[in-house]
Amino acid sequence: DIQMTQSPSSLSASVGDRVTITCRASESISSYLNWYQQKPGKAPNLLMYATSNLQSGVPSRFSGSGSGTDFTLTISSLQPEDFATYYCQQSYSIPLTFGGGTKVEIK
Amino acid sequence: QVQLLQSGPEVKKPGASVRVSCKTSGYTFNAYYMHWVRQAPRQGLEWMGYINLNSGGTNYAQKFQDRVTMTGDSSINTAYMELSRLTSDDTAVYYCARDAGIAAFRTLYFDNWGQGVQVTVSS
Repeated sequence: DIQMTQSPSSLSASVGDRVTITCRASESISSYLNWYQQKPGKAPNLLMYATSNLQSGVPSRFSGSGSGTDFTLTISSLQPEDFATYYCQQSYSIPLTFGGGTKVEIK
Repeated sequence: QVQLLQSGPEVKKPGASVRVSCKTSGYTFNAYYMHWVRQAPRQGLEWMGYINLNSGGTNYAQKFQDRVTMTGDSSINTAYMELSRLTSDDTAVYYCARDAGIAAFRTLYFDNWGQGVQVTVSS
């Protein structure tokens, strides 16, 4: 199974800050990396697919990059509604696996 | 618009089975794969498997291979996930999640999710 490791596991940031979350795969997954946002008590929501493609309706302050084993999700200017937990997920091979999550909290 | 509406919370005893439903609307039911993902309390997300709702073919995570059954009923646009021989480790929120790709263009990521079903296993 491909292991997905996110860092940091949590971070504190202020509105307007630039935030970067990292996801590392245990082996190369090409560009088959997706990101989800989850708010408390809600289902995850797809933000980004295939590393850098913004899902419809997702604000352009979100961006993604990387390939192979190392990937990043960047929020260019953190907004109040962005405080949530973020998960990466590889769609390169089955079983599909997720990172452990990064909780973005208000500083 | 696409909607996935899941059944209500369940409380089960160890050793029992649970069946969770996911009623869909707003799209052609059997044109998409349906995945099931679970989330244990204060934990991350765990993929359980998927079903091709056109062919009925399934692909289960090895961890659940001998305990999970995923089915679909196209007459009522509803997908089901049944998990047997429950233990306390199965206490989690169970989500259905639609594959983002239509028909043969399966993507293995998820663009629409149900609201989740709390399954509690307790004696």
